Amino acid sequence: AQTVTQSQPEMSVQEAETVTLSCTYDTSESDYYLFWYKQPPSRQMILVIRQEAYKQQNATENRFSVNFQKAAKSFSLKISDSQLGDAAMYFCAYRSGNAGNNRKLIWGLGTSLAVNP
Amino acid sequence: NAGVMQNPRHLVRRRGQEARLRCSPMKGHSHVYWYRQLPEEGLKFMVYLQKENIIDESGMPKERFSAEFPKEGPSILRIQQVVRGDSAAYFCASSTGQGTSYGYTFGSGTRLTVV
Repeated sequence: AQTVTQSQPEMSVQEAETVTLSCTYDTSESDYYLFWYKQPPSRQMILVIRQEAYKQQNATENRFSVNFQKAAKSFSLKISDSQLGDAAMYFCAYRSGNAGNNRKLIWGLGTSLAVNP
Repeated sequence: NAGVMQNPRHLVRRRGQEARLRCSPMKGHSHVYWYRQLPEEGLKFMVYLQKENIIDESGMPKERFSAEFPKEGPSILRIQQVVRGDSAAYFCASSTGQGTSYGYTFGSGTRLTVV
């Protein structure tokens, strides 16, 4: 069974600085997708960025980028130029690429990010 | 497009009562997933439904929990005879299911409190 591990329960960063959130996963599959979701206090789960395992190039979305190391099964999220609005819980999630599976997401426990002014 | 709509946003039930949580997927989405988030934890998959079909309910507790997604109307997650341990945030997500590699669109969740 696949698992997702986020080893940092809490992180903090100064406004305008860069922070990296860690995520590792375990799977025997070769085809899968990885996601980072943000959950602000409003509780809305917001997709930040996604990565297809077959793509070697790291995904980037504005100030958010990932460092995807397939062999190491690592998928870290880098937030550049941190803003106060980035303060939230961040969840790493895995989804099988196997069409026979139901595409459910498997989640880490989350990292609470505080942004200090 | 109103996104995924969940209601109620907050629900308080006494032990032994029934809780009904509703989820209206995004327009054009025919696949619905329910997840439960216990305090200080990530989300856990509960059930995956398509219109009129339960595809995977492997994450659902064997008793008291049921889900449906009728041809017309929202998906319903029903919890009978609620207990304190059912207190959690329940999230619904929807997708087109068309070989998507995307994550899903989530609703804002229903926070169930059992007193």
